[in-house]
Amino acid sequence: EVQLVESGGGLVQPGGSLRLSCVVSGFDFSTYSMNWVRQAPGKGLEWVSYINRKSTTVYYADSVRGRFTISRDNAKNSLYLQMNSLGVEETAVYYCARAGFDSWGQGTLVTVSS
Amino acid sequence: QAVVTQEPSLTVSPGGTFTLTCGSSTGPVTDGHYPYWFQQKPGQAPRTLIDDTSNRLSWTPARFSGSLLGGKAALTVSGAQPEDEAHYYCMLSYSGSWVFGGGTKVTVL
Repeated sequence: EVQLVESGGGLVQPGGSLRLSCVVSGFDFSTYSMNWVRQAPGKGLEWVSYINRKSTTVYYADSVRGRFTISRDNAKNSLYLQMNSLGVEETAVYYCARAGFDSWGQGTLVTVSS
Repeated sequence: QAVVTQEPSLTVSPGGTFTLTCGSSTGPVTDGHYPYWFQQKPGQAPRTLIDDTSNRLSWTPARFSGSLLGGKAALTVSGAQPEDEAHYYCMLSYSGSWVFGGGTKVTVL
């Protein structure tokens, strides 16, 4: 069974940093590109970032470029999102999703507040 | 960054047919945008219904179909069921990035 489990969310002050993780199982992680998607409370979905299988290609939404860094460790079946200079508007549930968006985690809540 | 537009809301009767659309601020939506359609119910993660314009995933009921219609991507549901009440999001590809539409809230009443 394919599973994606996010962690690392929590309360952080404006301007602070947080690192999210997504651990996967049930499929060969090293053969799939991955994405991060977020959803503010009561709002729609926003694609955040993409990384290919070997970490040679990454893409970011304009809203996070220069502040967020996506990475992965294929040996650990893990995807990461380092988030810096967080703003209150980035309070959201952050989901990891497999390439093709056919599998999603349940999300981890990031709350940016003083 | 491109803006993807969807109808904000729609109400359909059980057994009825409805079509949601997905437009792009950059021009007509084509297969090259690889349109996706997602369904999301309260408290749940999104679930992919359609990828690459019209490909149903293994768990997608046959009453859901995707297409291109009048320069937009479209999701048609034929014979709406009570369990189809949800938010529906489309997503388009733009040269390495993805952009979601604002979503359509579908009520089956």
